[in-house]
Amino acid sequence: AQSVSQHNHHVILSEAASLELGCNYSYGGTVNLFWYVQYPGQHLQLLLKYFSGDPLVKGIKGFEAEFIKSKFSFNLRKPSVQWSDTAEYFCAARGAGNKLTFGGGTRVLVKP
Amino acid sequence: DARVTQTPRHKVTEMGQEVTMRCQPILGHNTVFWYRQTMMQGLELLAYFRNRAPLDDSGMPKDRFSAEMPDATLATLKIQPSEPRDSAVYFCASGSPLENTEAFFGQGTRLTVV
Repeated sequence: AQSVSQHNHHVILSEAASLELGCNYSYGGTVNLFWYVQYPGQHLQLLLKYFSGDPLVKGIKGFEAEFIKSKFSFNLRKPSVQWSDTAEYFCAARGAGNKLTFGGGTRVLVKP
Repeated sequence: DARVTQTPRHKVTEMGQEVTMRCQPILGHNTVFWYRQTMMQGLELLAYFRNRAPLDDSGMPKDRFSAEMPDATLATLKIQPSEPRDSAVYFCASGSPLENTEAFFGQGTRLTVV
């Protein structure tokens, strides 16, 4: 069965620190990968997506993610976080049949 | 500005009552997902449709939940009878038939069953 796992449930860091959130997926065949962000009280919004090509994907707000096929990973990174990056981050994968499965989410708190 | 519209945004109801949540996908989108979000369980996929046909509703409690797409512009999620443990935020998302596109989420319906 397809699944997505995120390594950390909670991350606390200070402004200007670097952020890396882990994501692993379990899928057979071609997979599309996504990172979504949910700011407090809001709906999910797309940060970035990977379908094919360059495994290093750049998204909005300075985020990027790297697809490593051999590790079944799609980790999210940001070199220098801001207080406004406080949110919950979700990794998601879509395989055959178009089913979109999310990981458990990582709550990120950036201290000013 | 194309977006997924969910109604109502908030719903408080008494245990045992029927609840219907509605979702209008983005025009032209042919895939619709229903998710439930709680603190304990995170985002759970309840059901999803493609071209109005249910593809997978294995995540949905069958005894009380039902999901339908009466037409291409409306998806519904119904709970009957509702229970306090159904309290959650229910999100609808829609996706385009084009390849290499993402799902777009609605604002959610916050359901409280007392």
